[in-house]
Amino acid sequence: DIQLTQSPSFLSASVGDRVTITCRASEGISNYLAWYQQKPGKAPKLLIYAASTLQSGVPSRFGGRGSGTAEFTLTISSLQPEDFATYYCQQLSSYPLTFGGGTKVEIK
Amino acid sequence: EVQLVESGGGLVKPGGSLRLSCTSSGFTFSNAWMTWVRQAPGKGLEWVGRIKSKTDGETTDYAAPVKGRFTISRDDSKNTLYLQMSSLKTEDTAVYYCTTDPKTVGTTPNYGMDVWGQGTTVTVSS
Repeated sequence: DIQLTQSPSFLSASVGDRVTITCRASEGISNYLAWYQQKPGKAPKLLIYAASTLQSGVPSRFGGRGSGTAEFTLTISSLQPEDFATYYCQQLSSYPLTFGGGTKVEIK
Repeated sequence: EVQLVESGGGLVKPGGSLRLSCTSSGFTFSNAWMTWVRQAPGKGLEWVGRIKSKTDGETTDYAAPVKGRFTISRDDSKNTLYLQMSSLKTEDTAVYYCTTDPKTVGTTPNYGMDVWGQGTTVTVSS
């Protein structure tokens, strides 16, 4: 199974900050990576697929980069109050699909 | 509006069984590949398994922790996905979500899971 290592697991930031979350795959996954946002008590919401493509309706302050076994990153260019949530990466290279451990973004 | 609604969660004793349902609307369910994802209390997301469309053979795949205990099925006439869970363990306690599989795993273009239900809670406890 492909393992995804996400870091940091917890991040404290202020409104307006630029934040970056990292996800590393245990083997090559090309650009078959998605990012999700989850708020307490809610289902995950797809933000980015194919490592860097923004899902329709997602604000442009969210961005994704990476490919292969290199580092994948999710960047929020200017953190907004509604962005405080937990973020997960997911590989869609092979079954079983796997998720990173999550990064909780909290208000500093 | 595309929608998925899970039901059937509840409290069950270890070793017991439970069947979850996921009713869809707003899209052609019979063409969709469907997936179950779960989330234990305070933990991350875990892929449970997937069923392909009938056209694609209705093939199922399961995560190792549930293989042999859980069965995914579908009734296209009712636009409904099922998860039959048996020999339940305390570690199966979780919120269970149904979601669409993008059908593009390992291929380009590659998409994510863009439609999710609200989840149903399963608690396995004596």
